[in-house]
Amino acid sequence: ETGVTQSPTHLIKTRGQQVTLRCSSQSGHNTVSWYQQALGQGPQFIFQYYREEENGRGNFPPRFSGLQFPNYSSELNVNALELDDSALYLCASSLPSGITGELFFGEGSRLTVL
Amino acid sequence: ELKVEQNPLFLSMQEGKNYTIYCNYSTTSDRLYWYRQDPGKSLESLFVLLSNGAVKQEGRLMASLDTKARLSTLHITAAVHDLSATYFCAVAGKYNNAGNMLTFGGGTRLMVKP
Repeated sequence: ETGVTQSPTHLIKTRGQQVTLRCSSQSGHNTVSWYQQALGQGPQFIFQYYREEENGRGNFPPRFSGLQFPNYSSELNVNALELDDSALYLCASSLPSGITGELFFGEGSRLTVL
Repeated sequence: ELKVEQNPLFLSMQEGKNYTIYCNYSTTSDRLYWYRQDPGKSLESLFVLLSNGAVKQEGRLMASLDTKARLSTLHITAAVHDLSATYFCAVAGKYNNAGNMLTFGGGTRLMVKP
């Protein structure tokens, strides 16, 4: 059983650019969530995808968008990057919440915006 | 809006000592999770607490949940250096057939000294 994998692990962008982060969910998990973790803080929920549709969203502007593909993998896209977007972006996968609802996190993509 | 507060934010303790980390949350939920994060790493699931009065133990760590008080505790017994990490509690304020949307506390950075 493979865990959650994310790419790239590190990247540097400049303000105003766009970035795409990728996530492959754990085998058998059909729900993918994205979280942003700024340095020294707890993760913040960005959005969740289920059956290729956005199923819930946190307090993030529309320039944060995502996709989920038929194989349950997912992308997070951020347009018009701002300095405050510098953070660790964590992808988590889970089974439907009828079980424990536990989230399993990937290693993250660390984004630096200059 | 669900708010999750942890205290203390930073904890320095001697090996062999006991201590408790507290997690308070502001709205009703019966799903609470504890995670561990090592520097530069992702989140490792420690405990899943799904009902009032739930108690889980693993090694030197024990977690409990009181949904009426909206309080969870993570108790450390006879701390060892390997427990040094940041610990997060997370509450599922919303969940549906797709899965949990977690709100995290700010984390407790634990440092265990010899």
